[in-house]
Amino acid sequence: SQQGEEDPQALSIQEGENATMNCSYKTSINNLQWYRQNSGRGLVHLILIRSNEREKHSGRLRVTLDTSKKSSSLLITASRAADTASYFCATEETSGSRLTFGEGTQLTVNP
Amino acid sequence: DVKVTQSSRYLVKRTGEKVFLECVQDMDHENMFWYRQDPGLGLRLIYFSYDVKMKEKGDIPEGYSVSREKKERFSLILESASTNQTSMYLCASSLFQGTGTGFLGEKLFFGSGTQLSVL
Repeated sequence: SQQGEEDPQALSIQEGENATMNCSYKTSINNLQWYRQNSGRGLVHLILIRSNEREKHSGRLRVTLDTSKKSSSLLITASRAADTASYFCATEETSGSRLTFGEGTQLTVNP
Repeated sequence: DVKVTQSSRYLVKRTGEKVFLECVQDMDHENMFWYRQDPGLGLRLIYFSYDVKMKEKGDIPEGYSVSREKKERFSLILESASTNQTSMYLCASSLFQGTGTGFLGEKLFFGSGTQLSVL
């Protein structure tokens, strides 16, 4: 069963705007990861945040994690047309089971 | 950079055919995975392997088998392809780390995917 659920399913913004995607999950986790997938290609790892971390930055990416609400958000600042892709969260549960992916958010950045 | 190579980008097969999807990684990773990706269903794990000749069922193993004879190569086999196996197939690898499952804090490296159509 899916552990992570992304919200919204689709997001369309203008270049230069910020994009925020959310992920909710159901069980306790060791870490949460975000991946990006360009159309018709494989996934690329973006960032990992551990359960004892609240916020992490990588370039224009900012990830937050709220374990009390079992949710995470991915913020892309100053978006570019090249950021157009699907974004997936993936959770590693404390039970030791495999990494579980959500269904993704389709981000479209219009030039 | 880690490279995960899937042998075919697009594949068209007929119902009942035996299909082999090959995946090779070049970074000596212990763990390898096969996922399928379908619209509205996200990524679902078919099989994974922690080591040579070892395999574990994922969430949807029915209709599939795998082979890992060498550390760098992980093959997915559709014994008798069916139309409901039309999908994007993604291979991934990761490093073993520490104790437990090896998934602790480890990121996956994906291949570019194989779009399989079964007619």
